[in-house]
Amino acid sequence: KQEVTQIPAALSVPEGENLVLNCSFTDSAIYNLQWFRQDPGKGLTSLLLIQSSQREQTSGRLNASLDKSSGRSTLYIAASQPGDSATYLCAVRPWDDYKLSFGAGTTVTVRA
Amino acid sequence: EAGVAQSPRYKIIEKRQSVAFWCNPISGHATLYWYQQILGQGPKLLIQFQNNGVVDDSQLPKDRFSAERLKGVDSTLKIQPAKLEDSAVYLCASSLKGDQYFGPGTRLLVL
Repeated sequence: KQEVTQIPAALSVPEGENLVLNCSFTDSAIYNLQWFRQDPGKGLTSLLLIQSSQREQTSGRLNASLDKSSGRSTLYIAASQPGDSATYLCAVRPWDDYKLSFGAGTTVTVRA
Repeated sequence: EAGVAQSPRYKIIEKRQSVAFWCNPISGHATLYWYQQILGQGPKLLIQFQNNGVVDDSQLPKDRFSAERLKGVDSTLKIQPAKLEDSAVYLCASSLKGDQYFGPGTRLLVL
Protein backbone atom coordinates (compact mmCIF):
# COMPACT_ATOMS: atom_id res chain seq x y z
CA LYS A 1 0.00 0.00 0.00
CA GLN A 2 1.34 3.42 -0.98
CA GLU A 3 2.10 5.75 1.94
CA VAL A 4 2.64 9.45 1.26
CA THR A 5 4.20 11.69 3.90
CA GLN A 6 4.60 15.44 3.94
CA ILE A 7 6.95 17.20 6.31
CA PRO A 8 6.62 19.68 7.90
CA ALA A 9 2.91 19.73 8.68
CA ALA A 10 3.00 23.51 9.03
CA LEU A 11 5.35 26.28 8.03
CA SER A 12 5.40 30.01 8.70
CA VAL A 13 7.74 32.34 6.83
CA PRO A 14 8.12 36.10 6.25
CA GLU A 15 7.14 37.47 2.88
CA GLY A 16 9.87 37.17 0.28
CA GLU A 17 11.45 34.03 1.67
CA ASN A 18 11.67 30.93 -0.51
CA LEU A 19 9.51 27.96 0.47
CA VAL A 20 10.60 24.32 0.36
CA LEU A 21 7.93 21.67 0.82
CA ASN A 22 8.74 17.99 0.99
CA CYS A 23 6.82 14.90 -0.05
CA SER A 24 7.95 11.29 0.28
CA PHE A 25 6.30 8.08 -0.91
CA THR A 26 7.00 4.44 -0.17
CA ASP A 27 6.32 2.76 -3.52
CA SER A 28 8.45 4.16 -6.36
CA ALA A 29 6.29 2.50 -9.06
CA ILE A 30 4.32 5.64 -9.78
CA TYR A 31 2.82 6.97 -13.00
CA ASN A 32 2.94 10.59 -11.92
CA LEU A 33 3.05 12.89 -8.92
CA GLN A 34 0.90 15.96 -8.54
CA TRP A 35 1.03 18.99 -6.26
CA PHE A 36 -2.25 20.61 -5.24
CA ARG A 37 -3.16 23.77 -3.40
CA GLN A 38 -6.13 23.91 -1.03
CA ASP A 39 -7.47 27.16 0.39
CA PRO A 40 -9.62 27.07 3.54
CA GLY A 41 -13.12 25.84 2.74
CA LYS A 42 -12.24 25.23 -0.88
CA GLY A 43 -11.48 22.28 -3.12
CA LEU A 44 -8.13 21.29 -4.59
CA THR A 45 -6.41 23.20 -7.35
CA SER A 46 -3.74 21.40 -9.35
CA LEU A 47 -0.42 23.27 -9.41
CA LEU A 48 2.06 20.97 -11.10
CA LEU A 49 2.05 17.42 -12.44
CA ILE A 50 5.30 15.50 -12.96
CA GLN A 51 5.30 12.35 -15.03
CA SER A 52 7.44 9.49 -13.73
CA SER A 53 9.91 10.00 -16.58
CA GLN A 54 10.45 13.66 -15.69
CA ARG A 55 12.80 15.17 -13.12
CA GLU A 56 11.08 18.51 -12.66
CA GLN A 57 8.30 20.84 -13.72
CA THR A 58 8.11 24.61 -13.50
CA SER A 59 5.28 27.11 -13.54
CA GLY A 60 6.05 30.71 -12.73
CA ARG A 61 7.46 30.91 -9.21
CA LEU A 62 6.77 27.21 -8.63
CA ASN A 63 9.21 24.41 -9.32
CA ALA A 64 8.67 20.76 -8.43
CA SER A 65 11.34 18.09 -8.58
CA LEU A 66 10.93 14.33 -8.55
CA ASP A 67 13.43 11.67 -7.50
CA LYS A 68 11.47 8.51 -8.09
CA SER A 69 14.20 6.12 -7.00
CA SER A 70 14.40 7.67 -3.55
CA GLY A 71 10.66 8.27 -3.34
CA ARG A 72 10.86 12.03 -2.93
CA SER A 73 9.47 15.20 -4.42
CA THR A 74 10.09 18.81 -3.46
CA LEU A 75 8.00 21.85 -4.24
CA TYR A 76 9.86 25.15 -4.30
CA ILE A 77 8.00 28.45 -4.19
CA ALA A 78 10.25 31.42 -4.88
CA ALA A 79 9.82 34.82 -3.26
CA SER A 80 6.76 33.88 -1.22
CA GLN A 81 3.78 36.23 -0.95
CA PRO A 82 0.90 36.37 1.55
CA GLY A 83 -1.35 35.05 -1.22
CA ASP A 84 0.66 31.82 -1.16
CA SER A 85 -0.78 31.02 2.26
CA ALA A 86 -2.66 27.74 1.86
CA THR A 87 -2.32 24.01 2.38
CA TYR A 88 -0.21 22.20 -0.20
CA LEU A 89 -0.84 18.51 -0.85
CA CYS A 90 1.06 16.03 -2.95
CA ALA A 91 -0.53 12.98 -4.50
CA VAL A 92 0.87 10.01 -6.39
CA ARG A 93 -0.85 7.89 -9.02
CA PRO A 94 0.16 4.30 -9.72
CA TRP A 95 0.67 2.84 -13.19
CA ASP A 96 -2.31 0.54 -13.12
CA ASP A 97 -4.98 2.81 -11.66
CA TYR A 98 -6.31 6.35 -11.59
CA LYS A 99 -6.53 6.26 -7.80
CA LEU A 100 -4.54 9.03 -6.10
CA SER A 101 -2.80 8.58 -2.76
CA PHE A 102 -2.52 11.86 -0.91
CA GLY A 103 -0.24 13.17 1.78
CA ALA A 104 -1.74 15.04 4.73
CA GLY A 105 -0.44 18.35 3.43
CA THR A 106 1.76 21.21 4.59
CA THR A 107 -0.05 24.32 5.78
CA VAL A 108 1.89 27.42 4.80
CA THR A 109 1.52 30.88 6.30
CA VAL A 110 3.36 33.76 4.67
CA ARG A 111 3.59 36.75 7.02
CA ALA A 112 3.42 40.23 5.52
CA GLU B 1 -15.65 25.42 -19.08
CA ALA B 2 -17.74 24.99 -15.93
CA GLY B 3 -16.05 23.17 -13.09
CA VAL B 4 -17.27 20.43 -10.79
CA ALA B 5 -20.30 21.60 -8.82
CA GLN B 6 -21.22 20.37 -5.35
CA SER B 7 -24.05 21.12 -2.97
CA PRO B 8 -24.65 21.91 -0.26
CA ARG B 9 -21.42 23.64 0.70
CA TYR B 10 -22.02 23.22 4.42
CA LYS B 11 -24.19 20.91 6.47
CA ILE B 12 -24.63 20.49 10.21
CA ILE B 13 -26.58 17.48 11.50
CA GLU B 14 -26.93 15.49 14.67
CA LYS B 15 -25.59 11.97 14.97
CA ARG B 16 -27.90 9.26 13.71
CA GLN B 17 -29.47 11.64 11.20
CA SER B 18 -29.20 11.17 7.44
CA VAL B 19 -27.52 13.47 4.94
CA ALA B 20 -27.01 13.54 1.18
CA PHE B 21 -24.50 15.34 -0.98
CA TRP B 22 -24.81 16.09 -4.68
CA CYS B 23 -22.14 16.39 -7.36
CA ASN B 24 -22.35 17.51 -10.97
CA PRO B 25 -19.12 16.70 -12.83
CA ILE B 26 -17.56 18.53 -15.74
CA SER B 27 -19.56 17.85 -18.89
CA GLY B 28 -18.28 14.82 -20.74
CA HIS B 29 -16.20 13.44 -17.87
CA ALA B 30 -16.91 9.73 -17.61
CA THR B 31 -15.11 9.12 -14.33
CA LEU B 32 -16.37 10.51 -11.03
CA TYR B 33 -14.78 10.21 -7.59
CA TRP B 34 -15.95 10.86 -4.04
CA TYR B 35 -13.30 11.59 -1.41
CA GLN B 36 -13.50 12.08 2.34
CA GLN B 37 -11.05 14.55 3.87
CA ILE B 38 -10.89 14.55 7.66
CA LEU B 39 -9.35 17.63 9.24
CA GLY B 40 -5.56 17.45 9.12
CA GLN B 41 -5.50 14.54 6.67
CA GLY B 42 -5.30 14.13 2.94
CA PRO B 43 -8.35 13.11 0.93
CA LYS B 44 -9.24 9.43 0.99
CA LEU B 45 -11.06 7.87 -1.94
CA LEU B 46 -14.48 6.51 -1.01
CA ILE B 47 -15.84 5.47 -4.39
CA GLN B 48 -15.01 5.73 -8.08
CA PHE B 49 -17.57 5.55 -10.90
CA GLN B 50 -16.94 4.96 -14.58
CA ASN B 51 -20.08 6.25 -16.30
CA ASN B 52 -22.80 4.79 -14.05
CA GLY B 53 -20.85 1.73 -12.91
CA VAL B 54 -18.80 1.37 -9.74
CA VAL B 55 -15.08 0.80 -10.36
CA ASP B 56 -13.81 0.90 -6.78
CA ASP B 57 -15.73 1.17 -3.52
CA SER B 58 -13.30 -0.74 -1.34
CA GLN B 59 -12.98 2.09 1.21
CA LEU B 60 -16.66 2.99 1.36
CA PRO B 61 -18.24 2.07 4.74
CA LYS B 62 -21.14 0.29 3.13
CA ASP B 63 -23.08 -0.18 6.35
CA ARG B 64 -23.83 3.54 6.41
CA PHE B 65 -22.59 5.11 3.16
CA SER B 66 -24.15 4.69 -0.25
CA ALA B 67 -23.58 6.39 -3.58
CA GLU B 68 -25.18 6.34 -6.97
CA ARG B 69 -24.60 7.92 -10.33
CA LEU B 70 -27.81 7.86 -12.29
CA LYS B 71 -27.44 8.10 -16.07
CA GLY B 72 -23.70 8.46 -15.72
CA VAL B 73 -23.78 12.18 -14.97
CA ASP B 74 -24.76 13.56 -11.54
CA SER B 75 -23.95 11.63 -8.40
CA THR B 76 -25.31 11.50 -4.86
CA LEU B 77 -23.47 10.36 -1.75
CA LYS B 78 -25.61 9.47 1.27
CA ILE B 79 -24.77 8.79 4.90
CA GLN B 80 -27.38 7.02 7.03
CA PRO B 81 -27.07 7.12 10.00
CA ALA B 82 -24.28 9.64 10.52
CA LYS B 83 -21.65 9.25 13.25
CA LEU B 84 -19.47 11.88 14.89
CA GLU B 85 -16.42 10.56 13.02
CA ASP B 86 -18.09 11.33 9.69
CA SER B 87 -17.36 15.03 10.23
CA ALA B 88 -15.19 15.89 7.26
CA VAL B 89 -15.07 17.61 3.90
CA TYR B 90 -16.52 15.49 1.11
CA LEU B 91 -14.88 16.22 -2.20
CA CYS B 92 -16.13 15.23 -5.62
CA ALA B 93 -13.79 15.03 -8.60
CA SER B 94 -14.20 14.11 -12.24
CA SER B 95 -11.82 13.14 -15.00
CA LEU B 96 -11.79 12.45 -18.72
CA LYS B 97 -8.36 10.93 -19.32
CA GLY B 98 -6.92 10.59 -15.84
CA ASP B 99 -6.29 14.13 -14.56
CA GLN B 100 -8.80 14.80 -11.82
CA TYR B 101 -10.63 18.11 -11.36
CA PHE B 102 -12.01 18.79 -7.91
CA GLY B 103 -15.15 20.52 -6.75
CA PRO B 104 -15.25 22.92 -3.78
CA GLY B 105 -16.40 20.21 -1.38
CA THR B 106 -19.16 19.87 1.19
CA ARG B 107 -18.15 20.47 4.78
CA LEU B 108 -20.11 18.18 7.13
CA LEU B 109 -20.27 18.63 10.88
CA VAL B 110 -21.94 15.90 12.91
CA LEU B 111 -22.88 16.92 16.45
